[in-house]
Amino acid sequence: EADIYQTPRYLVIGTGKKITLECSQTMGHDKMYWYQQDPGMELHLIHYSYGVNSTEKGDLSSESTVSRIRTEHFPLTLESARPSHTSQYLCASTLSTTTGELFFGEGSRLTVL
Amino acid sequence: AQTVTQSQPEMSVQEAETVTLSCTYDTSESDYYLFWYKQPPSRQMILVIRQEAYKQQNATENRFSVNFQKAAKSFSLKISDSQLGDAAMYFCAYRIQDDKIIFGKGTRLHILP
Repeated sequence: EADIYQTPRYLVIGTGKKITLECSQTMGHDKMYWYQQDPGMELHLIHYSYGVNSTEKGDLSSESTVSRIRTEHFPLTLESARPSHTSQYLCASTLSTTTGELFFGEGSRLTVL
Repeated sequence: AQTVTQSQPEMSVQEAETVTLSCTYDTSESDYYLFWYKQPPSRQMILVIRQEAYKQQNATENRFSVNFQKAAKSFSLKISDSQLGDAAMYFCAYRIQDDKIIFGKGTRLHILP
């Protein structure tokens, strides 16, 4: 199995709370990604990073923010959660090689009441 | 725009039979990579098979093989001797030049015992 970890796996919170979804990988990958996925649906890229201090917004507009202070760590933060943020968030990483394979975490399922 | 289209939202196959999942994509690039990912229920997304566009030979991984038709921009996945553990969402994906990987909407595969 890939060495990429997401916490928490499940989170239920009330509207207006600040939350941070953690993602860490121990593979030394430089590129990291956050995807948003509703159950049984397609993946939407919301953030990506090509290395330390590099962050970019993805194709789907998101109110979340990310940071990349260390190579292995790529947390996603929502300053004020709303019910529309209820979804599954998948973190992934890859090395800058020509294979392009993404390694995925197990996902964080967020429910905002 | 780079797109990946999976025209079959759901498919079913009898155990031990063969099933083919279809995928088409749109690109103006000549060199790229294509992938099939598997997402079992409540489990991690994993790579099933990859294909380099410059290789004419179709990729094969045990019971999984692809039919890559570059001119037609088609990339189908064939699963032989289907097993209950093959039940999952299958995503076709395409890697574009700046290392973003674009996913299709997925095909949910049911295995009938």
